[in-house]
Amino acid sequence: AQRVTQPEKLLSVFKGAPVELKCNYSYSGSPELFWYVQYSRQRLQLLLRHISRESIKGFTADLNKGETSFHLKKPFAQEEDSAMYYCALSDRGTSYGKLTFGQGTILTVHP
Amino acid sequence: EAEVAQSPRYKITEKSQAVAFWCDPISGHATLYWYRQILGQGPELLVQFQDESVVDDSQLPKDRFSAERLKGVDSTLKIQPAELGDSAMYLCASSLEFGVNAEAFFGQGTRLTVV
Repeated sequence: AQRVTQPEKLLSVFKGAPVELKCNYSYSGSPELFWYVQYSRQRLQLLLRHISRESIKGFTADLNKGETSFHLKKPFAQEEDSAMYYCALSDRGTSYGKLTFGQGTILTVHP
Repeated sequence: EAEVAQSPRYKITEKSQAVAFWCDPISGHATLYWYRQILGQGPELLVQFQDESVVDDSQLPKDRFSAERLKGVDSTLKIQPAELGDSAMYLCASSLEFGVNAEAFFGQGTRLTVV
C-alpha cells in the first residue's frame, strides 16, 4: 500500500529565509504527487502538482524517484506562506483520483 | 467563484445516535469524495463517487457508515450508530477531471464531536 511521510510536524523560518518541506513516499509503481495547502480559516486547496512542472507562489517541488521524495521548496519565505502543508499521492494503478495524504507540516514564517 | 458546500459546519451528537452530513459539489463535477480527518492527521478517503456510482469505498466502515449520491449531484454521508472514535473533520471534495491527476476542490468540512 502507498504511504506518504512528512517528517516535520512543525517548521519555523524567518521571512526571507529559504524553506524546504520534506515529503517521502513509499509506492511500488509510478505515482503522481501533489502539495495541498490550508491557510488559516480557509479550505484545503491545491498548491501544485508534479505533472504541471510549474512554480506556484514561488514554490517548486521536484520528484526524486531514487529517493522517493517530493520536497517543497521556496528560496525566500514570506509571512503569507504560513499555513498547513500536505503532501499527497495519487495511485496510477488503482485509483481514480483518490489521494493519500501525509500528516502535514505547519509552516510558520516569522517577520 | 464556485465552491463545494457542506452542512452543517459543526455537529455534536451522543454516541449511538445517528448523524448525517450533506455535500453539494461544484456544478459539473462528476467526481465526489468524502474524506475523514482525525486531529493531527491528514485526510483519509472514505468513499469516492463517479456520478452516482461508488468507485472506491474500501476504507468505509460499512457496518455503520453509508453514503449516497442518488442523482449524481449532491451527496449524504451517514453514521449510525455514532461512536466516540468517529469524532473528526469530515471533508467533501469534488473534481472535474477523473483520474490520477485530478485536482480536488474541498469544502469547509463538518466538524463532528461524539460525546
